[in-house]
Amino acid sequence: DAGVIQSPRHEVTEMGQEVTLRCKPISGHNSLFWYRQTMMRGLELLIYFNNNVPIDDSGMPEDRFSAKMPNASFSTLKIQPSEPRDSAVYFCASSWASGRDDTQYFGPGTRLTVL
Amino acid sequence: AQSVTQLDSHVSVSEGTPVLLRCNYSSSYSPSLFWYVQHPNKGLQLLLKYTSAATLVKGINGFEAEFKKSETSFHLTKPSAHMSDAAEYFCVVSFSLNTNAGKSTFGDGTTLTVKP
Repeated sequence: DAGVIQSPRHEVTEMGQEVTLRCKPISGHNSLFWYRQTMMRGLELLIYFNNNVPIDDSGMPEDRFSAKMPNASFSTLKIQPSEPRDSAVYFCASSWASGRDDTQYFGPGTRLTVL
Repeated sequence: AQSVTQLDSHVSVSEGTPVLLRCNYSSSYSPSLFWYVQHPNKGLQLLLKYTSAATLVKGINGFEAEFKKSETSFHLTKPSAHMSDAAEYFCVVSFSLNTNAGKSTFGDGTTLTVKP
């Protein structure tokens, strides 16, 4: 298996621009998680989906952030408009939440820099 | 509710000496517990996991952890540190119910430094 795939790996944009991050989970997994990691705040859970349905988006910072999962093999995290404080590494993870083993498998991350 | 506390934000050891990274958890249910490692500018990699089988869990790269229910601990150990072990380590607790779909709680991380 190719693991969790994220694109792009690096994104540099200017303040006010729209940014779209993409994630392809591991085939067969039913849960997908978006995290943000910064030096100041550490690793934060932004939102997660189960069976393509958003379960908890309480970690989404504000209305500028939105996430979708149109099908089991694809999810996007969009920031519009972007701001310098959004600069961070964004990780996507997926798991098979079926009972005792909820191991999350992480993608390599997208490093976002907003100038 | 569940929570996890990593007792040390930074640990420094000399190469060849033992490593101990401490983790305490709280959970209303029997938890699953994990340790992840993150090397600089890399993603998170699973080191090992406990899911109610043997209480002593062996992971990759010589790491192991012991689940101690009476102490609500899941400390990570390695007999002999290697320079390549320098990284950040996260302790994670989760339990899967239909209501939370496998949501996990991450500790704040412990930065391990290995001195030559």
